[in-house]
Amino acid sequence: AQKVTQAQTEISVVEKEDVTLDCVYETRDTTYYLFWYKQPPSGELVFLIRRNSFDEQNEISGRYSWNFQKSTSSFNFTITASQVVDSAVYFCALSDHVSGGYNKLIFGAGTRLAVHP
Amino acid sequence: NAGVTQTPKFQVLKTGQSMTLQCAQDMNHEYMSWYRQDPGMGLRLIHYSVGAGITDQGEVPNGYNVSRSTTEDFPLRLLSAAPSQTSVYFCASSYLLPKGNTYEQYFGPGTRLTVT
Repeated sequence: AQKVTQAQTEISVVEKEDVTLDCVYETRDTTYYLFWYKQPPSGELVFLIRRNSFDEQNEISGRYSWNFQKSTSSFNFTITASQVVDSAVYFCALSDHVSGGYNKLIFGAGTRLAVHP
Repeated sequence: NAGVTQTPKFQVLKTGQSMTLQCAQDMNHEYMSWYRQDPGMGLRLIHYSVGAGITDQGEVPNGYNVSRSTTEDFPLRLLSAAPSQTSVYFCASSYLLPKGNTYEQYFGPGTRLTVT
């Protein structure tokens, strides 16, 4: 079954600490995509990254980095030198084929990150 | 472009009432979908559409109807609201990326619905 597990419900850190958000997935597909979204307190969903299953290179974007490991079915997200503005709920998601050729997203339960000054 | 718009932003209903959540996009995207977000459960797909006139059920379709008469609009109807439908509802529109077998998804700002 397609599934995304974010075992960390809440994480609390002090500003400037590094923090890693874990994401473990299960899929029957050989080709799939993984995503991370940020949901700030204002409630909207902000797209952060998309990664396809053939590309296991780590990605870095400013203070954000992602580690994709197919061997452990994990797609972890690290924030370096966290800031108060990073406080949000972060969702990991997996693409899943449905009828009509569409890909729906299967979301994890989310990890709430609180960064304190 | 306004992107994906949803109305209303907030709504309180009594059990048994019906209402329609509106969703519109101005990007000419072929695909649209509705998700609901519940605490501790992430987002789950309710219904989706792969084009005007074509809709299908997602994971949690019971109690909801959709139709897609135009490319732009994808309303979600609650037939007889129940407290279990208290949730935040997100509409998304998407298009198939030129390279690869996935979609660029654009989410609306969400509608917070409370059913008492």
